[in-house]
Amino acid sequence: RKEVEQDPGPFNVPEGATVAFNCTYSNSASQSFFWYRQDCRKEPKLLMSVYSSGNEDGRFTAQLNRASQYISLLIRDSKLSDSATYLCVVKVLRSSASKIIFGSGTRLSIRP
Amino acid sequence: DAGVIQSPRHEVTEMGQEVTLRCKPISGHNSLFWYRQTMMRGLELLIYFNNNVPIDDSGMPEDRFSAKMPNASFSTLKIQPSEPRDSAVYFCASTQDSGYMNTGELFFGEGSRLTVL
Repeated sequence: RKEVEQDPGPFNVPEGATVAFNCTYSNSASQSFFWYRQDCRKEPKLLMSVYSSGNEDGRFTAQLNRASQYISLLIRDSKLSDSATYLCVVKVLRSSASKIIFGSGTRLSIRP
Repeated sequence: DAGVIQSPRHEVTEMGQEVTLRCKPISGHNSLFWYRQTMMRGLELLIYFNNNVPIDDSGMPEDRFSAKMPNASFSTLKIQPSEPRDSAVYFCASTQDSGYMNTGELFFGEGSRLTVL
C-alpha cells in the first residue's frame, strides 16, 4: 500500500464550479501536510500548508482529519488557470531528518 | 536568488551508457531530495540527504543507481548502466529542515528529462 494515496482523476469541471480532492496517508507518525501544484512539464510548487484547524487561502481551503488520516483540498469558483495536477504531501518526522512523501497527484481540468 | 539548479535539462542516451545528473541546492538549505517522476508511478522519492549525509536510500531502485553529496552545494545521481525503464524526469529538491516545526516547503529544480533508448 502506498504511504500517500490520491484519486488520480482526471476531474473535469466547468469554470466557476467547486471541486474537492481527498488524500489518505498511512503513517500515523506523519507530522506535517501540504498541497503542491504541478503544471504540465513543470516542477511541483507549494500551494499551501495544511493546519490541524483547517486553513483557507483565497479560493482554496485545506482540511486535516488526523483520526481518519486524510487531508482535503477544496477549490471554490474554479478558474481556467487552476488546471493542473494537485499533489498531496506528507512529512514524516524521523529521528535524524524528516522524510517528505508525495502522492501521485490528482489531475484537474477546468473547461470554459 | 538562484533556485535549485539541475543539469542537464535533457539527456538522450543509449542503453548501457552511464548517466550523471547534477544538482545545486539553494544556499543554506540542509536537506536535499532526489525524486523520479513517470506517468505510471508518479513522483517517487529515491534518496534524501540531511547535512550531506544520506538518510534514507530505500527508494533507490537497484544497485545501478547511486547518489552522492560531497558538500553542501552539490549532489549527483548516477545511473550505470542505464536501461530504457530508467526514462523519466528526475527532480532534485532542497529545503531547510527544521524538524518539529510545521515547515517543509520543498524547492524543486526544473528537472532533468532522461530518455534511454
